[in-house]
Amino acid sequence: SQTIHQWPATLVQPVGSPLSLECTVEGTSNPNLYWYRQAAGRGLQLLFYSVGIGQISSEVPQNLSASRPQDRQFILSSKKLLLSDSGFYLCASGSAVTYEQYFGPGTRLTVT
Amino acid sequence: DQQVKQNSPSLSVQEGRISILNCDYTNSMFDYFLWYKKYPAEGPTFLISISSIKDKNEDGRFTVFLNKSAKHLSLHIVPSQPGDSAVYFCAARKDSNYQLIWGAGTKLIIKP
Repeated sequence: SQTIHQWPATLVQPVGSPLSLECTVEGTSNPNLYWYRQAAGRGLQLLFYSVGIGQISSEVPQNLSASRPQDRQFILSSKKLLLSDSGFYLCASGSAVTYEQYFGPGTRLTVT
Repeated sequence: DQQVKQNSPSLSVQEGRISILNCDYTNSMFDYFLWYKKYPAEGPTFLISISSIKDKNEDGRFTVFLNKSAKHLSLHIVPSQPGDSAVYFCAARKDSNYQLIWGAGTKLIIKP
């Protein structure tokens, strides 16, 4: 079974500072990878997805970017954080065969 | 355009009784539906799924029903247990698409 690792678990950053959240996947190869954000009391908003190394699709134009330098590594970045970037960020792994997506434990980001 | 809707933000059920969570969708191209459970500050965990060619799928205490003509699916939990208190998300997959379309979630509260 797949295991999704995310770190850090919580992060408090000032407005205008950079961001780097990392996600790594174990137990599978060539997964589809996803970054979601859940704002307080809201559903899951898909931010980025990747079907392979270096292949990134953005769903929502915003202050964030994503990269996939290795098959099982997915990174979410920002050069300058905004207050509106606060939220709960989730990394997920899935495949086109099984359809299910498996989630990491999430990162709680607070921008102050 | 909200293609997957969970119209009840919350639901309260007595322990031991049946919990019924509902989900409606608008896109007839969806071919696979999934239910996820999420505890606070954790990633969602996959519960149960159903293909559009079926109308029922059962796994232990969890049963998902699909009514394609009504574009409606429901998750039944019986009997409900305190550990079932969580937010439940409905998600749908569009054929040959890597993405899941998510509902906003329903918070289920199991009363002792």
